[in-house]
Amino acid sequence: EAGVAQSPRYKIIEKRQSVAFWCNPISGHATLYWYQQILGQGPKLLIQFQNNGVVDDSQLPKDRFSAERLKGVDSTLKIQPAKLEDSAVYLCASSLGAGGMNTEAFFGQGTRLTVV
Amino acid sequence: AQSVTQLDSQVPVFEEAPVELRCNYSSSVSVYLFWYVQYPNQGLQLLLKYLSGSTLVESINGFEAEFNKSQTSFHLRKPSVHISDTAEYFCALTRFNKFYFGSGTKLNVKP
Repeated sequence: EAGVAQSPRYKIIEKRQSVAFWCNPISGHATLYWYQQILGQGPKLLIQFQNNGVVDDSQLPKDRFSAERLKGVDSTLKIQPAKLEDSAVYLCASSLGAGGMNTEAFFGQGTRLTVV
Repeated sequence: AQSVTQLDSQVPVFEEAPVELRCNYSSSVSVYLFWYVQYPNQGLQLLLKYLSGSTLVESINGFEAEFNKSQTSFHLRKPSVHISDTAEYFCALTRFNKFYFGSGTKLNVKP
Protein backbone atom coordinates (compact mmCIF):
# COMPACT_ATOMS: atom_id res chain seq x y z
CA GLU A 1 0.00 0.00 0.00
CA ALA A 2 1.44 3.35 -1.01
CA GLY A 3 1.82 5.90 1.76
CA VAL A 4 1.01 9.58 1.88
CA ALA A 5 3.02 11.41 -0.77
CA GLN A 6 4.16 14.99 -0.35
CA SER A 7 6.18 17.32 -2.53
CA PRO A 8 8.49 19.08 -2.50
CA ARG A 9 10.60 17.76 0.40
CA TYR A 10 12.42 21.03 0.88
CA LYS A 11 11.73 24.62 -0.15
CA ILE A 12 13.59 27.85 0.49
CA ILE A 13 11.90 31.13 -0.38
CA GLU A 14 12.26 34.78 0.46
CA LYS A 15 9.71 36.51 2.65
CA ARG A 16 6.71 37.88 0.79
CA GLN A 17 7.05 35.20 -1.90
CA SER A 18 4.41 32.54 -2.42
CA VAL A 19 4.77 28.78 -2.12
CA ALA A 20 2.59 25.73 -2.65
CA PHE A 21 2.75 22.24 -1.24
CA TRP A 22 1.11 19.15 -2.66
CA CYS A 23 -0.23 16.05 -0.93
CA ASN A 24 -1.63 12.79 -2.23
CA PRO A 25 -3.26 10.77 0.56
CA ILE A 26 -3.60 7.03 0.83
CA SER A 27 -6.20 5.77 -1.61
CA GLY A 28 -9.64 5.56 -0.06
CA HIS A 29 -8.88 7.76 2.93
CA ALA A 30 -11.75 10.16 3.49
CA THR A 31 -9.98 12.53 5.85
CA LEU A 32 -6.96 14.66 5.00
CA TYR A 33 -5.05 16.90 7.40
CA TRP A 34 -2.43 19.59 7.02
CA TYR A 35 -0.26 20.20 10.06
CA GLN A 36 2.40 22.80 10.76
CA GLN A 37 5.33 21.64 12.89
CA ILE A 38 7.63 24.38 14.11
CA LEU A 39 11.03 23.24 15.35
CA GLY A 40 10.77 21.91 18.88
CA GLN A 41 6.98 21.74 18.92
CA GLY A 42 4.31 19.18 18.22
CA PRO A 43 2.25 19.27 15.04
CA LYS A 44 -0.45 21.92 14.96
CA LEU A 45 -3.53 21.31 12.85
CA LEU A 46 -4.01 23.89 10.11
CA ILE A 47 -6.94 22.37 8.24
CA GLN A 48 -8.89 19.13 8.11
CA PHE A 49 -10.87 17.92 5.12
CA GLN A 50 -13.43 15.16 4.97
CA ASN A 51 -13.71 14.15 1.35
CA ASN A 52 -13.66 17.55 -0.38
CA GLY A 53 -15.30 19.52 2.42
CA VAL A 54 -13.57 21.49 5.18
CA VAL A 55 -14.20 20.10 8.67
CA ASP A 56 -11.93 22.41 10.66
CA ASP A 57 -9.85 25.38 9.55
CA SER A 58 -10.05 27.35 12.77
CA GLN A 59 -6.25 27.60 13.10
CA LEU A 60 -5.50 28.38 9.48
CA PRO A 61 -4.22 31.97 9.04
CA LYS A 62 -6.67 32.71 6.29
CA ASP A 63 -5.14 36.04 5.34
CA ARG A 64 -2.15 34.21 3.91
CA PHE A 65 -2.84 30.47 3.90
CA SER A 66 -5.26 28.64 1.66
CA ALA A 67 -5.92 24.99 0.98
CA GLU A 68 -8.09 22.98 -1.30
CA ARG A 69 -8.88 19.35 -1.87
CA LEU A 70 -10.33 18.97 -5.31
CA LYS A 71 -12.40 15.87 -6.04
CA GLY A 72 -11.78 14.66 -2.49
CA VAL A 73 -8.39 13.19 -3.31
CA ASP A 74 -5.15 15.17 -3.42
CA SER A 75 -4.69 18.56 -1.82
CA THR A 76 -2.61 21.70 -2.08
CA LEU A 77 -1.65 24.13 0.64
CA LYS A 78 -0.57 27.62 -0.37
CA ILE A 79 1.10 30.45 1.50
CA GLN A 80 0.97 33.94 0.01
CA PRO A 81 2.82 36.02 1.07
CA ALA A 82 5.20 34.06 3.29
CA LYS A 83 6.56 35.42 6.54
CA LEU A 84 9.69 34.44 8.43
CA GLU A 85 7.57 32.75 11.11
CA ASP A 86 6.14 30.37 8.51
CA SER A 87 9.43 28.47 8.53
CA ALA A 88 8.39 24.99 9.63
CA VAL A 89 7.74 21.47 8.44
CA TYR A 90 4.35 21.06 6.80
CA LEU A 91 2.95 17.61 7.31
CA CYS A 92 0.12 16.06 5.41
CA ALA A 93 -1.75 13.13 6.91
CA SER A 94 -4.75 11.04 6.00
CA SER A 95 -7.04 8.69 7.82
CA LEU A 96 -9.70 6.24 6.82
CA GLY A 97 -12.14 7.61 9.36
CA ALA A 98 -15.18 9.60 8.48
CA GLY A 99 -18.38 10.47 10.26
CA GLY A 100 -16.84 10.27 13.73
CA MET A 101 -14.86 7.06 13.26
CA ASN A 102 -11.53 7.09 15.04
CA THR A 103 -8.63 5.48 13.25
CA GLU A 104 -4.96 6.28 13.14
CA ALA A 105 -3.56 8.99 10.91
CA PHE A 106 -0.83 8.19 8.38
CA PHE A 107 1.71 10.90 7.73
CA GLY A 108 3.77 11.90 4.76
CA GLN A 109 7.45 12.79 5.09
CA GLY A 110 6.69 16.49 5.20
CA THR A 111 7.90 19.58 3.41
CA ARG A 112 10.53 21.62 5.20
CA LEU A 113 9.97 25.30 4.41
CA THR A 114 12.61 27.89 5.13
CA VAL A 115 11.67 31.54 4.70
CA VAL A 116 14.65 33.91 4.52
CA ALA B 1 -11.60 20.56 25.44
CA GLN B 2 -8.93 17.98 24.70
CA SER B 3 -5.22 18.39 25.37
CA VAL B 4 -2.08 16.29 25.70
CA THR B 5 0.86 17.04 27.96
CA GLN B 6 4.33 15.60 27.62
CA LEU B 7 6.27 17.00 30.53
CA ASP B 8 9.71 15.78 29.48
CA SER B 9 11.08 17.58 26.45
CA GLN B 10 14.25 15.48 26.45
CA VAL B 11 15.13 12.13 27.99
CA PRO B 12 18.76 10.97 27.88
CA VAL B 13 19.35 7.29 28.59
CA PHE B 14 22.12 4.77 28.14
CA GLU B 15 21.77 1.87 25.76
CA GLU B 16 20.10 -1.22 27.27
CA ALA B 17 18.61 0.82 30.12
CA PRO B 18 14.83 1.04 30.64
CA VAL B 19 12.96 4.19 29.73
CA GLU B 20 9.57 5.76 30.37
CA LEU B 21 8.17 8.67 28.39
CA ARG B 22 5.29 10.33 30.16
CA CYS B 23 2.02 11.41 28.61
CA ASN B 24 -1.01 12.84 30.35
CA TYR B 25 -4.19 13.89 28.67
CA SER B 26 -7.17 16.00 29.51
CA SER B 27 -10.60 15.21 28.19
CA SER B 28 -14.10 15.17 29.56
CA VAL B 29 -15.11 12.32 27.26
CA SER B 30 -13.71 9.01 26.10
CA VAL B 31 -10.72 9.31 23.82
CA TYR B 32 -8.39 7.14 21.82
CA LEU B 33 -4.66 7.43 22.36
CA PHE B 34 -1.60 7.03 20.18
CA TRP B 35 2.14 7.21 20.30
CA TYR B 36 3.94 8.34 17.16
CA VAL B 37 7.70 8.34 16.53
CA GLN B 38 9.54 10.82 14.33
CA TYR B 39 13.05 10.15 13.08
CA PRO B 40 15.12 13.10 11.75
CA ASN B 41 13.75 14.57 8.52
CA GLN B 42 10.89 12.10 8.48
CA GLY B 43 7.17 12.24 9.03
CA LEU B 44 5.42 10.70 12.01
CA GLN B 45 5.07 6.94 12.17
CA LEU B 46 2.51 5.19 14.33
CA LEU B 47 4.17 3.29 17.17
CA LEU B 48 1.12 1.97 19.02
CA LYS B 49 -2.48 2.81 19.72
CA TYR B 50 -5.18 2.32 22.31
CA LEU B 51 -8.71 2.22 20.92
CA SER B 52 -10.45 -0.16 23.30
CA GLY B 53 -10.01 -3.47 25.09
CA SER B 54 -6.83 -4.30 26.98
CA THR B 55 -5.30 -1.25 28.60
CA LEU B 56 -1.78 -2.50 27.87
CA VAL B 57 -0.76 -2.16 24.24
CA GLU B 58 2.48 -3.22 22.63
CA SER B 59 4.45 -2.36 19.52
CA ILE B 60 6.45 -4.75 17.37
CA ASN B 61 9.77 -3.24 18.47
CA GLY B 62 9.41 -3.73 22.21
CA PHE B 63 7.64 -0.55 23.32
CA GLU B 64 4.48 -0.74 25.40
CA ALA B 65 2.04 1.76 26.82
CA GLU B 66 -0.65 1.46 29.42
CA PHE B 67 -3.88 3.39 29.36
CA ASN B 68 -4.76 4.55 32.87
CA LYS B 69 -8.12 6.23 32.93
CA SER B 70 -8.04 7.20 36.61
CA GLN B 71 -4.69 8.95 36.20
CA THR B 72 -5.47 10.14 32.65
CA SER B 73 -2.10 8.83 31.51
CA PHE B 74 -0.70 6.85 28.61
CA HIS B 75 2.99 6.47 29.43
CA LEU B 76 5.33 4.78 26.97
CA ARG B 77 7.88 2.28 28.25
CA LYS B 78 10.64 0.06 26.96
CA PRO B 79 12.64 -2.28 29.21
CA SER B 80 15.86 -2.02 27.19
CA VAL B 81 16.51 0.70 24.61
CA HIS B 82 18.76 0.59 21.55
CA ILE B 83 20.70 3.31 19.82
CA SER B 84 18.21 3.05 16.97
CA ASP B 85 15.41 4.19 19.31
CA THR B 86 16.86 7.70 19.28
CA ALA B 87 14.03 9.83 17.91
CA GLU B 88 11.27 12.18 18.97
CA TYR B 89 8.11 10.64 20.37
CA PHE B 90 4.69 12.26 20.26
CA CYS B 91 1.66 11.30 22.28
CA ALA B 92 -1.68 12.08 20.68
CA LEU B 93 -5.37 11.65 21.32
CA THR B 94 -8.21 11.61 18.89
CA ARG B 95 -11.83 12.43 19.34
CA PHE B 96 -14.26 12.47 16.40
CA ASN B 97 -11.37 12.04 14.01
CA LYS B 98 -9.53 15.14 15.29
CA PHE B 99 -5.98 14.58 16.51
CA TYR B 100 -4.38 16.54 19.32
CA PHE B 101 -0.62 16.18 19.80
CA GLY B 102 1.69 16.75 22.73
CA SER B 103 4.84 18.82 22.33
CA GLY B 104 7.04 15.75 21.97
CA THR B 105 9.84 14.06 23.92
CA LYS B 106 13.27 13.63 22.40
CA LEU B 107 14.76 10.31 23.40
CA ASN B 108 18.54 10.33 23.18
CA VAL B 109 20.08 6.89 23.61
CA LYS B 110 23.76 6.99 24.45
CA PRO B 111 26.23 4.14 23.93
